[in-house]
Amino acid sequence: EDKVVQSPLSLVVHEGDTVTLNCSYEVTNFRSLLWYKQEKKAPTFLFMLTSSGIEKKSGRLSSILDKKELFSILNITATQTGDSAVYLCAFSPSLIQGAQKLVFGQGTRLTINP
Amino acid sequence: DTGVSQDPRHKITKRGQNVTFRCDPISEHNRLYWYRQTLGQGPEFLTYFQNEAQLEKSRLLSDRFSAERPKGSFSTLEIQRTEQGDSAMYLCASSPTGFTEAFFGQGTRLTVV
Repeated sequence: EDKVVQSPLSLVVHEGDTVTLNCSYEVTNFRSLLWYKQEKKAPTFLFMLTSSGIEKKSGRLSSILDKKELFSILNITATQTGDSAVYLCAFSPSLIQGAQKLVFGQGTRLTINP
Repeated sequence: DTGVSQDPRHKITKRGQNVTFRCDPISEHNRLYWYRQTLGQGPEFLTYFQNEAQLEKSRLLSDRFSAERPKGSFSTLEIQRTEQGDSAMYLCASSPTGFTEAFFGQGTRLTVV
């Protein structure tokens, strides 16, 4: 069965620290890996990764995928209290172009203390 | 607000009652998804529509659950004879044609008492 495992499940750091969130997966048909941020209710999209070794960057956030070792990391530098959220990793197993049926991990709850 | 809209935001119901939730996707999106999220877990896929056609259903979607998307616009998710185990956040998402990310709504939190 397809599976996504995130670690750690919970992380508490001080403002200004750098954090690395991990996501590993076991899937039969891989299409893409996505990261979402969930602050209260609606998950909001961060990154979609399809190719190995190519870093995607948005401000203080960056992510990279390793398709050989089946994992991805999400880095956040110079953390701020507004980064406190649950970070969800998901992969799309569909081979049908455009379909986005996602399989999510449990999420990592990140708390940034001032 | 041009994002995915869900209604109601909260629903409390007695066990055994039927409930219906509504999702209005982003207007130009032809794909619509329903997910369920319980506390401390990531969202779990329930079902997927392309326009009005329901193309995939998870085995999580028991016979008590039914979803529709008439005319390929808004969608409804109905749960019949609710059980306490149905208590969860029900999330709707939509995406356009092509290989892009899905955009999520705020969700409907269901509590079955």
